[in-house]
Amino acid sequence: AQTVTQSQPEMSVQEAETVTLSCTYDTSENNYYLFWYKQPPSRQMILVIRQEAYKQQNATENRFSVNFQKAAKSFSLKISDSQLGDTAMYFCAFKPEAGNMLTFGGGTRLMVKP
Amino acid sequence: DGGITQSPKYLFRKEGQNVTLSCEQNLNHDAMYWYRQDPGQGLRLIYYSQIVNDFQKGDIAEGYSVSREKKESFPLTVTSAQKNPTAFYLCASSRGGSLNTEAFFGQGTRLTVV
Repeated sequence: AQTVTQSQPEMSVQEAETVTLSCTYDTSENNYYLFWYKQPPSRQMILVIRQEAYKQQNATENRFSVNFQKAAKSFSLKISDSQLGDTAMYFCAFKPEAGNMLTFGGGTRLMVKP
Repeated sequence: DGGITQSPKYLFRKEGQNVTLSCEQNLNHDAMYWYRQDPGQGLRLIYYSQIVNDFQKGDIAEGYSVSREKKESFPLTVTSAQKNPTAFYLCASSRGGSLNTEAFFGQGTRLTVV
């Protein structure tokens, strides 16, 4: 069974600054996918970024990028130039290549301050 | 527009009653999931289905039941056996298989026991 751990229950950052959210996972799988989801106050889950474990290059989506360290089983999310609209819960998630089960971490509540 | 729809948005249940939460998707996705989210916490998997007429228990299946008679629909019944059903319930779907597939989420149903 896989486990996903987010060690930061809450974080805050000043608008326009950079913040990094941590995620570690435990698995015996070699091929898998990792995701970061955002849940704003509306409660709608929105995919922020995804990473395939077989790719060494870190994924980037505009202001969002990841630092994927496969050996360390670490998958952190960096948000650059933070905006007020980034205020939300952020969830890290794991999916093995074989199978559909998606496992989530406990979430990090991010507050962007003006 | 393709998407995943949950209804109702808010649901109130008297103790001892069964209630059914609806989840419909028109994305032609094979896999569907039900998650429970408690205040300030992550998502916990209740049940998931990889294909029509098949489903598996997740981490917290006790007190819940599901059916998957149609590809588009994956209703969740919260039975009277569920001791603490008040929570936010999220339904999701994905293409399934060994693909880099993100999960798409509905807008959720908030269930309150009165």
